Amino acid sequence: DAMVIQNPRYQVTQFGKPVTLSCSQTLNHNVMYWYQQKSSQAPKLLFHYYDKDFNNEADTPDNFQSRRPNTSFCFLDIRSPGLGDAAMYLCATSKEESGPRSRETQYFGPGTRLLVL
Amino acid sequence: GNSVTQMEGPVTLSEEAFLTINCTYTATGYPSLFWYVQYPGEGLQLLLKATKADDKGSNKGFEATYRKETTSFHLEKGSVQVSDSAVYFCALNKDSNYQLIWGAGTKLIIKP
Repeated sequence: DAMVIQNPRYQVTQFGKPVTLSCSQTLNHNVMYWYQQKSSQAPKLLFHYYDKDFNNEADTPDNFQSRRPNTSFCFLDIRSPGLGDAAMYLCATSKEESGPRSRETQYFGPGTRLLVL
Repeated sequence: GNSVTQMEGPVTLSEEAFLTINCTYTATGYPSLFWYVQYPGEGLQLLLKATKADDKGSNKGFEATYRKETTSFHLEKGSVQVSDSAVYFCALNKDSNYQLIWGAGTKLIIKP
């Protein structure tokens, strides 16, 4: 089945120690997103890639970076995790055609829960 | 600006009860509307969607109708099960970029 995969499901890191979360997809979607979600609140968009074009949300801290080496994979790098970065991180994808009304469904992975000690 | 308002939870019902979770929105243009469900400890799953006025989305016994006149997209199910216990999020697309506008989520608890 085509899907969005996130690894690992649980990640423990130390305060200030860089950590990378990974996302892969078999849907062949051109847009990939990273969200942060705390305590069953609404997800907060950190950034997204439209193909290779990176789009950062204005309020995303510089501590969060992303890489997309190819269509299938996208990584979230947290350079110096703080206690406040403990959260669920969700990856999503969508297939967007060109045009002003191209707003397709986003499909989510299972998430990675990050714990910062 | 664009926004989504959901009824506050938690909503607690007995098994086989009728469910309504209210969702209203404010938006320019003609957004697409979504319901996502999140089971404990898991990611978000698309439950249903509607892309234009009067469309009805349906899945797994859940339904929602896109009502432009009342700017609403209420989620309904005729007979809930314990396995429906989850957090439900209403969302809409924002024009001109790919950001979803989310409601705050409604926690649903179904008791046997």
